[in-house]
Amino acid sequence: VQLVQSGAEVKKPGASVKLSCTTSGYTFTNYFIHWVRQVPGQGLEWMAMVSPGVGSAYPQNFRDRVTLTYNTSTSTVFLELSSLTSDDTAIYFCARDQVSRRYVIPAAAFDIWGQGTAVTVSA
Amino acid sequence: EVVLTQSPGTLSLSPGERATLSCRASQTISSRFLAWYQQRPGQAPRLVIFGASNRATGVPDRFSGSGSGTDFTLTIARLDPEDVAVYYCQEYGSSPLTFGGGTKVEIK
Repeated sequence: VQLVQSGAEVKKPGASVKLSCTTSGYTFTNYFIHWVRQVPGQGLEWMAMVSPGVGSAYPQNFRDRVTLTYNTSTSTVFLELSSLTSDDTAIYFCARDQVSRRYVIPAAAFDIWGQGTAVTVSA
Repeated sequence: EVVLTQSPGTLSLSPGERATLSCRASQTISSRFLAWYQQRPGQAPRLVIFGASNRATGVPDRFSGSGSGTDFTLTIARLDPEDVAVYYCQEYGSSPLTFGGGTKVEIK
């Protein structure tokens, strides 16, 4: 099982960024994928989760700026974050649920992680 | 939203010593939905404990988790230099999923 994320991005304030997480080694539609970010030197922040055919969820503070999509033919999940500010400068990780589930909440622990994508927002 | 408060912020111990990390929740949570992650410098997090007390695959048995209600503990029985990392607790039974602020474990 592997999650491979897209490369580093540099964006200007106000722009959008679209990150990818390509999965392999398991049945893509059976597991939720989560996005977690980490501002340099700080902790982990959950941003969203999605599973094809089950649903998605977002915390309130990201609901208006995050769009999750997926491509089942390439087993890839995409995260698009809009209206970027310098506060969005962070490492963005995707992670897979530990167990297969057919409901949004409660979730599961994250047992497989991508390598992370650095996003820098600077004028 | 469940707020998780971890203590201490930093733990500095000698190899072979016992490390005790605390995670306190702002409300009662089910132990089924409490996890611990290890994040070594420059790496992605790694699942250590799920369901409060279950070791993830490949995790050494010197790691153990316990607790219920609002108080949870991660114990490293005999600290090894490879355990140097930041450890985060996570609640995943309700939305939004939340993480604690982390405890940094250092070797003296």
